[in-house]
Amino acid sequence: GAGVSQTPSNKVTEKGKYVELRCDPISGHTALYWYRQSLGQGPEFLIYFQGTGAADDSGLPNDRFFAVRPEGSVSTLKIQRTERGDSAVYLCASSPWAGGNEQFFGPGTRLTVL
Amino acid sequence: AQSVTQLGSHVSVSEGALVLLRCNYSSSVPPYLFWYVQYPNQGLQLLLKYTSAATLVKGINGFEAEFKKSETSFHLTKPSAHMSDAAEYFCAVSDQNTGFQKLVFGTGTRLLVSP
Repeated sequence: GAGVSQTPSNKVTEKGKYVELRCDPISGHTALYWYRQSLGQGPEFLIYFQGTGAADDSGLPNDRFFAVRPEGSVSTLKIQRTERGDSAVYLCASSPWAGGNEQFFGPGTRLTVL
Repeated sequence: AQSVTQLGSHVSVSEGALVLLRCNYSSSVPPYLFWYVQYPNQGLQLLLKYTSAATLVKGINGFEAEFKKSETSFHLTKPSAHMSDAAEYFCAVSDQNTGFQKLVFGTGTRLLVSP
């Protein structure tokens, strides 16, 4: 079956612009996660959805970052007024339900802010 | 707060040699522990996980890891390296305080395999 997909695979934008990154989880997976991976680092947790609601958004770095999952499947990570420090690979993962289950990761979106 | 330390950003082995990638964790409550592999331009793939059952965990591609509470370690091993094992490996921890949802990753170890 299809895995987690993310679009676009690459996004180049200018400082100050707004960007949206999309994640399509595995069909039927109720839990969805966003992570950010900076160069040479491991992924860092941003936010976790259980269904449509954000169950834990403690990893969002500031109020320029926002994520939604209105119908409990596709999720969009939104970044306002992008800064050069936002450049990273943004990873999405999903799991059948929360609680120790394997998280299945997508290939990521590489964001470059010039 | 939980944390994971992976000793060695790069590990080089010859094909057929033992692979040993080190991971030490810090957690105030019983943890879940994971090893993920990342090939270039691909997503993370789960190799194996420890969830408080058997302390010796066997995963895919011949990898295994042993949970040692006294040493707070979860080192990854493989008896004989293949060229196809060359990739980036990440150790991660989660715990019951977060409902086991939030993974905290180490900085990764790049495994290089030479002929």
